[in-house]
Amino acid sequence: GQNIDQPTEMTATEGAIVQINCTYQTSGFNGLFWYQQHAGEAPTFLSYNVLDGLEEKGRFSSFLSRSKGYSYLLLKELQMKDSASYLCAVTGGGNKLTFGTGTQLKVEL
Amino acid sequence: EAGVAQSPRYKIIEKRQSVAFWCNPISGHATLYWYQQILGQGPKLLIQFQNNGVVDDSQLPKDRFSAERLKGVDSTLKIQPAKLEDSAVYLCASSDRGAYTGELFFGEGSRLTVL
Repeated sequence: GQNIDQPTEMTATEGAIVQINCTYQTSGFNGLFWYQQHAGEAPTFLSYNVLDGLEEKGRFSSFLSRSKGYSYLLLKELQMKDSASYLCAVTGGGNKLTFGTGTQLKVEL
Repeated sequence: EAGVAQSPRYKIIEKRQSVAFWCNPISGHATLYWYQQILGQGPKLLIQFQNNGVVDDSQLPKDRFSAERLKGVDSTLKIQPAKLEDSAVYLCASSDRGAYTGELFFGEGSRLTVL
């Protein structure tokens, strides 16, 4: 089976940096995804990590440590539009993508 | 490129009634997923198709939920009879490479309210 843990809520200030952590346990790891979901909308893809290390894409970066079962999503230069739920998801055996419960990020002035 | 299409966007029914949701994936995407997302939770996989074959339906409540993907394109998810706890958003997603390496593209979802 798969188990994914991430904080329920986080609050940060516009222009700041925030790190959203995700820990996971899975049988047969094939990759870790981060998705962004605004209220009332569908999830949209942010990043994919399969090897250890940091993947950078503009203001967003994602880190993976497979030995520790740990990932984080780093958001820089926060904007109000970044207020959303951030979903950590893991692909395990069987080509199956399992999502965590999501971290609700609130960006304040 | 057209995205994943779902209908209806909203549906309100009473418990014990039936409902059906339709999904049209992105053209050429072999893998299709149905997820259930209850308010405040992450999406939960109900069923995964590869072309018109079922890859995983281990979390599908088969006593009331059914899904099919005719000709490996469109898919329908049915609930009969509905229960109060089925109130959720039903998300359809498709992928051209599957979840191993491929990004999932989601539709806007079908929001079900069971009274």
